[in-house]
Amino acid sequence: EAQVTQNPRYLITVTGKKLTVTCSQNMNHEYMSWYRQDPGLGLRQIYYSMNVEVTDKGDVPEGYKVSRKEKRNFPLILESPSPNQTSLYFCASRSTGPYGYTFGSGTRLTVV
Amino acid sequence: DAKTTQPPSMDCAEGRAANLPCNHSTISGNEYVYWYRQIHSQGPQYIIHGLKNNETNEMASLIITEDRKSSTLILPHATLRDTAVYYCIGQGAGNKLTFGGGTRVLVKP
Repeated sequence: EAQVTQNPRYLITVTGKKLTVTCSQNMNHEYMSWYRQDPGLGLRQIYYSMNVEVTDKGDVPEGYKVSRKEKRNFPLILESPSPNQTSLYFCASRSTGPYGYTFGSGTRLTVV
Repeated sequence: DAKTTQPPSMDCAEGRAANLPCNHSTISGNEYVYWYRQIHSQGPQYIIHGLKNNETNEMASLIITEDRKSSTLILPHATLRDTAVYYCIGQGAGNKLTFGGGTRVLVKP
């Protein structure tokens, strides 16, 4: 089944403890992207990648890192999480050309 | 990416057509109009997209005005499972995808 897989689905962590949220797609898509969703603020893009080793900042990149060493994987790294990064995170991918994005099921992160 | 404007909410009767408007007067010539929906806190789901011509797929129809300044998403026979937030987005060739507030659609029995 064509899909974007995020792990974990739920995560509670403490301030300052480094964590990684993984994202993997099995559709050979070039474009991948990370979003966070907060009440009243909607979906905001964190980082995106247009292919292997090509990444760029979205609207809210502060406090996050990404890497794209392989086409299928696009992990989101929080080096020192803070409570304001408590949010619902989505990974998405799409192919080049006029195609829609496929989104993962989301990762609900709580930083205490 | 084009800024889009949608009504914040609308109700629809089950079994009737739901017509969701979107204004995108600043859309550029190479930007497609995309529609997604999000049910509860699930990942957004792609519905349909178009550039100039009207489009139809198994989920919905998309009507784009000739001047491309607005469009309408039509759910032909709304069901309770169509209750969701619907987003209209102008998307160019890049990876930027900017979500607005969307329209919260409530399908009532």
